Amino acid sequence: GAGVSQSPRYKVAKRGQDVALRCDPISGHVSLFWYQQALGQGPEFLTYFQNEAQLDKSGLPSDRFFAERPEGSVSTLKIQRTQQEDSAVYLCASHNRRQKGLEETQYFGPGTRLLVL
Amino acid sequence: GDSVTQMEGPVTLSEEAFLTINCTYTATGYPSLFWYVQYPGEGLQLLLKATKADDKGSNKGFEATYRKETTSFHLEKGSVQVSDSAVYFCALTLTNDYKLSFGAGTTVTVRA
Repeated sequence: GAGVSQSPRYKVAKRGQDVALRCDPISGHVSLFWYQQALGQGPEFLTYFQNEAQLDKSGLPSDRFFAERPEGSVSTLKIQRTQQEDSAVYLCASHNRRQKGLEETQYFGPGTRLLVL
Repeated sequence: GDSVTQMEGPVTLSEEAFLTINCTYTATGYPSLFWYVQYPGEGLQLLLKATKADDKGSNKGFEATYRKETTSFHLEKGSVQVSDSAVYFCALTLTNDYKLSFGAGTTVTVRA
């Protein structure tokens, strides 16, 4: 596609509910990132994939957060037993370098705004 | 740890005014520095970047110079337009790393 897409754009969940957020990266982009952006803050790194391999999940805030990218393209971020503090915008980004490249731009999707009541 | 601190907003300006948004960083290595912009209802977009000391990034009339001696990367534009209204984020990534570390963002509103 022309850019990174995410769905749903908005999600309201009741506390304790499980949610799944989808990211479609730019076609052919090897690297995929998830970030969490709390209200009034900058994005915070959650996890990083290179193709289907999750190379870094150091930013995931708890074991309730799980991400996958089984075929190296679409990725899903799953949050189990949602809590109010999970309310945030979840951003997905991709770039097309296999290696850790300083020069390559991360292209961001519009985000999914999650509200946990 | 590695971090970015940027000027708090919101900033409100009149059209054709001069804009400066301050950004300073703390890093253990030699970071690359970025400014991202988020227009209303849109995703983050790279505005400009600089990968080494004294580099100047520029785009759409915006400029920022990588100043190692002051660990700064201030964003400037000489004459803003209403269409520049957005949230601006300063960010860094370290050599041989891939994660972006962002500042808190500065909301800029330009009035006609």
